Amino acid sequence: AQSVTQLGSHVSVSEGALVLLRCNYSSSVPPYLFWYVQYPNQGLQLLLKYTTGATLVKGINGFEAEFKKSETSFHLTKPSAHMSDAAEYFCAVSPFYNQGGKLIFGQGTELSVKP
Amino acid sequence: EAGVTQFPSHSVIEKGQTVTLRCDPISGHDNLYWYRRVMGKEIKFLLHFVKESKQDESGMPNNRFLAERTGGTYSTLKVQPAELEDSGVYFCASSQGSGGWETQYFGPGTRLLVL
Repeated sequence: AQSVTQLGSHVSVSEGALVLLRCNYSSSVPPYLFWYVQYPNQGLQLLLKYTTGATLVKGINGFEAEFKKSETSFHLTKPSAHMSDAAEYFCAVSPFYNQGGKLIFGQGTELSVKP
Repeated sequence: EAGVTQFPSHSVIEKGQTVTLRCDPISGHDNLYWYRRVMGKEIKFLLHFVKESKQDESGMPNNRFLAERTGGTYSTLKVQPAELEDSGVYFCASSQGSGGWETQYFGPGTRLLVL
């Protein structure tokens, strides 16, 4: 069965530092790839997604992710962390063959930003 | 445009009782999904409606869970009788399209605690 692995359930960075959240998926056929963010007491919000085309995807709030087929990875980055980036981040895939669009999620990564 | 709404936001019930969760998707969205996050675990797919029909219910844990989508609009998820392991956050999401790459818009979730 397809799975998604997020390395690190908690990541802490200083304000202004690089944010790197890791995501790997298991699939012989590249799926559709998503990053969602959940702020406290809110629903999940889409940050960015990869479907086809350019492998470097830009999202909201200065985040971007790069799809690397050879590494089965879709890591999320932001050059300079801001206090408002503190939230939980979820990597998810929608299997290419699955026309229903159900999402398979990783375990989530809680990002803390220190002043 | 109103987002996905869920009611109630919190529910505390005793084991053996019945609880009904409601989700109102974004108007015009044919796809409606239910997901659940048990504490400490990943968000897991429960089921998918296309309009009023169940497209995929492979994630439903057991027959204590019953989902309906009246007239292809709002949906309810009933748990009867509730067990301790049903505690968690239940998310609803909606989307439009059938490609599998469409953005799913999530509600804030219902936090269910079974005592």
